[in-house]
Amino acid sequence: NAGVTQTPKFQVLKTGQSMTLQCAQDMNHNSMYWYRQDPGMGLRLIYYSASEGTTDKGEVPNGYNVSRLNKREFSLRLESAAPSQTSVYFCATGQGLSTEAFFGQGTRLTVV
Amino acid sequence: SQKIEQNSEALNIQEGKTATLTCNYTNYSPAYLQWYRQDPGRGPVFLLLIRENEKEKRKERLKVTFDTTLKQSLFHITASQPADSATYLCALDRPGGATNKLIFGTGTLLAVQP
Repeated sequence: NAGVTQTPKFQVLKTGQSMTLQCAQDMNHNSMYWYRQDPGMGLRLIYYSASEGTTDKGEVPNGYNVSRLNKREFSLRLESAAPSQTSVYFCATGQGLSTEAFFGQGTRLTVV
Repeated sequence: SQKIEQNSEALNIQEGKTATLTCNYTNYSPAYLQWYRQDPGRGPVFLLLIRENEKEKRKERLKVTFDTTLKQSLFHITASQPADSATYLCALDRPGGATNKLIFGTGTLLAVQP
């Protein structure tokens, strides 16, 4: 089992460009999450999806959109990238309250 | 707003000693707290979960305590090994909703010297 798979692993964008980060899980979990991790800031929740067909904003949603394509896939889209979105992005899955989260290996995004 | 504090300074200890990491939180009463390990260039990996009604949880060489009065959790690694060197994150559940939305601390870097 692959667990949580993110693509791409690395990406460099120019300011104003758009891109979609992909996340797929084979753990049959209902909930999926997108976090960003910046030095000194810790992991911050961007968007989450409690179940297929639902999405909600997290702590730092501005500049992002998400799509829960099906139970397995949850994508994060940057419509017009800004240097402030330079970060490492992690997708995670979980199964309900008070359970562990499973993370992907991350996407390192640089916006120049 | 909720705030989680972990010691931002790296913790350096000698192999075989017990490492103790601290997680303090304010303005919140979490139902549970989790600890994760993160290696460079990798995603966090779950280690332990402790609920508010539990004082202590153990798993092999790991021990977590949860003091809801002090608003503090301590994470211990006994008989530490160089392979334990990593960043350790604590996370609390975010209030409201039915999903596992976690608030993470910034992490403490542990370096175990051989």
